[in-house]
Amino acid sequence: TQLLEQSPQFLSIQEGENLTVYCNSSSVFSSLQWYRQEPGEGPVLLVTVVTGGEVKKLKRLTFQFGDARKDSSLHITAAQPGDTGLYLCAGADSGAGSYQLTFGKGTKLSVIP
Amino acid sequence: EPEVTQTPSHQVTQMGQEVILRCVPISNHLYFYWYRQILGQKVEFLVSFYNNEISEKSEIFDDQFSVERPDGSNFTLKIRSTKLEDSAMYFCASQRSYNSPLHFGNGTRLTVT
Repeated sequence: TQLLEQSPQFLSIQEGENLTVYCNSSSVFSSLQWYRQEPGEGPVLLVTVVTGGEVKKLKRLTFQFGDARKDSSLHITAAQPGDTGLYLCAGADSGAGSYQLTFGKGTKLSVIP
Repeated sequence: EPEVTQTPSHQVTQMGQEVILRCVPISNHLYFYWYRQILGQKVEFLVSFYNNEISEKSEIFDDQFSVERPDGSNFTLKIRSTKLEDSAMYFCASQRSYNSPLHFGNGTRLTVT
């Protein structure tokens, strides 16, 4: 069974601070995705990383996939109150015959004005 | 932008009753999924569906569960005899092609009393 551990589980920071969220596994994934989920809604895809060592930027968000494709990080620069939400990482196992996603439990981020 | 729609948004049912959760995937998508999220826990894969048949299912997806795509647009999840532990958010997702991003609906909250 593949597991993804996210840390920290909860994070409360002041507006303007930087933060990093981690997603770790002992398994190798074909790709890793980061989602944001608002209360009462489904996960919304932020980014997909595929290649080991890959770095992708989305405005103030920087995503990195580990060289071994087992871990990933999300770094937010100068956090804004609008960044508040639940951030989920999900690993894709395309070798299973379908595009199954294994989700982490998420990091609940609060950015205080 | 096209989106995955799910109905109802909230379903309350008594233990032992049958429920059908409905999803309308994005129209040109070919792969379909059901995931569930028990309150406070991670999003879990249930089943994937392609070319009118199940391609993969998890241990959760036992004989009480079934999926159908009856008319080429709707994608349904049926739970034959609900149990208390089936209470969860159920998310439908669709995918245009293999390895393309999954698009999630906003979920159906199922409450079994």
